[in-house]
Amino acid sequence: DQQVKQNSPSLSVQEGRISILNCDYTNSMFDYFLWYKKYPAEGPTFLISISSIKDKNEDGRFTVFLNKSAKHLSLHIVPSQPGDSAVYFCAASDRNDMRFGAGTRLTVKP
Amino acid sequence: NAGVTQTPKFQVLKTGQSMTLQCAQDMNHNSMYWYRQDPGMGLRLIYYSASEGTTDKGEVPNGYNVSRLNKREFSLRLESAAPSQTSVYFCASSALSTGELFFGEGSRLTVL
Repeated sequence: DQQVKQNSPSLSVQEGRISILNCDYTNSMFDYFLWYKKYPAEGPTFLISISSIKDKNEDGRFTVFLNKSAKHLSLHIVPSQPGDSAVYFCAASDRNDMRFGAGTRLTVKP
Repeated sequence: NAGVTQTPKFQVLKTGQSMTLQCAQDMNHNSMYWYRQDPGMGLRLIYYSASEGTTDKGEVPNGYNVSRLNKREFSLRLESAAPSQTSVYFCASSALSTGELFFGEGSRLTVL
């Protein structure tokens, strides 16, 4: 029972353009959402988060958007850089339980 | 500046063997977690410990046991390894207030 879904296993973007990674969830009890970035042979690292009371959170080149009615969140990276190439995991939490999506592999081409 | 440290980084086991994955964090976090990562499945929670002295099952606890030895250390034990337990295992810790997890570098386990 996958409560958090990332339907695109991979995404390829040209350097300098926008990357948009999508995530859907099914459990309406989730109230905190996070994005993690993972490089090969390393553990995931926290990137950005958003509380359910907000619909947007921005941190430099990274912006997360939350649409509660659609149970959908997205991560925008502008402009994309080759160093952004990694696997991105979406996660959703209700403070007792954190569930992860399967991940999207982003490749940013120079 | 260690953060979360896991050992070993790599291990090959035969079916039926046992082993323990060790995890330690130096951030004074109350909560610690063990996840496994499999292709197409993302990260799935095996067990977690909300505080020293407590442990709870996650999504996929079967075949595993855990021990929260003290506030710093949280170990994961496979009593009788099976090929289905071939995976990459991640330990993580968090300060409850944020929900943000800090992960170790992972332990790649292969069960033949």
